[in-house]
Amino acid sequence: EDKVVQSPLSLVVHEGDTVTLNCSYEVTNFRSLLWYKQEKKAPTFLFMLTSSGIEKKSGRLSSILDKKELFSILNITATQTGDSAVYLCAVGDKLIFGTGTRLQVFP
Amino acid sequence: ETGVTQTPRHLVMGMTNKKSLKCEQHLGHNAMYWYKQSAKKPLELMFVYSLEERVENNSVPSRFSPECPNSSHLFLHLHTLQPEDSALYLCASSQGIAGVNTGELFFGEGSRLTVL
Repeated sequence: EDKVVQSPLSLVVHEGDTVTLNCSYEVTNFRSLLWYKQEKKAPTFLFMLTSSGIEKKSGRLSSILDKKELFSILNITATQTGDSAVYLCAVGDKLIFGTGTRLQVFP
Repeated sequence: ETGVTQTPRHLVMGMTNKKSLKCEQHLGHNAMYWYKQSAKKPLELMFVYSLEERVENNSVPSRFSPECPNSSHLFLHLHTLQPEDSALYLCASSQGIAGVNTGELFFGEGSRLTVL
């Protein structure tokens, strides 16, 4: 059975801290791993990763995939209150989602 | 604005009612999806349509009935629902053909369903 596990489930930090979110997976058909940010309703796209070892960056956010060890990490540096959200990881051709990591950033 | 519009945004219905959720995408995508999001549970894939054909039915009870009349519209018809069906129902679309070249999903704002 396809499975996506995210950790930690919840994270509380102060502004300026750096956080690392984890996503590990076991899927039958891997095509890509996607990260999304969900603040209120619609998840919004962050990154799509298909190849191991190639870091994707967007401002303070970056992500990398390890297809040998079957995981990805999402890093957020110099966190801001606006980064508070649930971060979702989705994997495979059926895009199986993990439960998400709830990040709360306090001033 | 993601280019995917869902209506209604909120719906309250009794267990004997029949209602429908509507999703429209303005992105020219080939694939459309219904997901269910319950509290403290992962997003659950319900249905996938690719080029207007259903390619995935993820063991969803028959009280949920999808319809895809064209590549821009997707409906979820609801009848004799249970209180545990109360959740946020998210529609999404993607470029490419679902299951073959699934790329980034574009989500709608969701329809919050409450079953009394």
